[in-house]
Amino acid sequence: GNSVTQMEGPVTLSEEAFLTINCTYTATGYPSLFWYVQYPGEGLQLLLKATKADDKGSNKGFEATYRKETTSFHLEKGSVQVSDSAVYFCALRIMEYGNKLVFGAGTILRVKS
Amino acid sequence: GAGVSQSPRYKVAKRGQDVALRCDPISGHVSLFWYQQALGQGPEFLTYFQNEAQLDKSGLPSDRFFAERPEGSVSTLKIQRTQQEDSAVYLCASSLEATNTGELFFGEGSRLTVL
Repeated sequence: GNSVTQMEGPVTLSEEAFLTINCTYTATGYPSLFWYVQYPGEGLQLLLKATKADDKGSNKGFEATYRKETTSFHLEKGSVQVSDSAVYFCALRIMEYGNKLVFGAGTILRVKS
Repeated sequence: GAGVSQSPRYKVAKRGQDVALRCDPISGHVSLFWYQQALGQGPEFLTYFQNEAQLDKSGLPSDRFFAERPEGSVSTLKIQRTQQEDSAVYLCASSLEATNTGELFFGEGSRLTVL
């Protein structure tokens, strides 16, 4: 089946630390990959995406590269801020299986000042 | 409004009661999705509409769950004879395009607690 596995949280970092949140996927087709973020008290919002192998998605200093050989889409940021504290969800979509997104369980990030 | 609006934000129901959750998508958005999010989990797909047509309801967990979008705008998710395992946050999301580029705009959700 189609599924997404994320590293368990919470991840707690000091401000300006380097962030990696691991995401791997299993897919029966050729997926597009996404990272969504949920800030406290808000709805989920798209952070970045990649639609084919070796594509790099980037936004707000965050990056993720679509690695087909390792079926991964790890999220990275060079220097986190307190305002990055949120829940991060990795997701995939396979057109052959309709328009729905399949989400991972989410990773809580806490950044301390 | 500017975003996806859901109501009520919080609902407490006694086991066996029927509940209705409302979603107002962004104006003009063709696609509408309902997701269920249990505590500490990611959102799980329930159903998908393209305008008023329900194209995919494969995620609805039982026939107690019913969704509609009669005029291709506002949608209602109805749960009949609620059970404790229905307790979750129900998320609505909309997308401008029918083909779904993957960018969904989510509401803040309706938190259902079944006692």
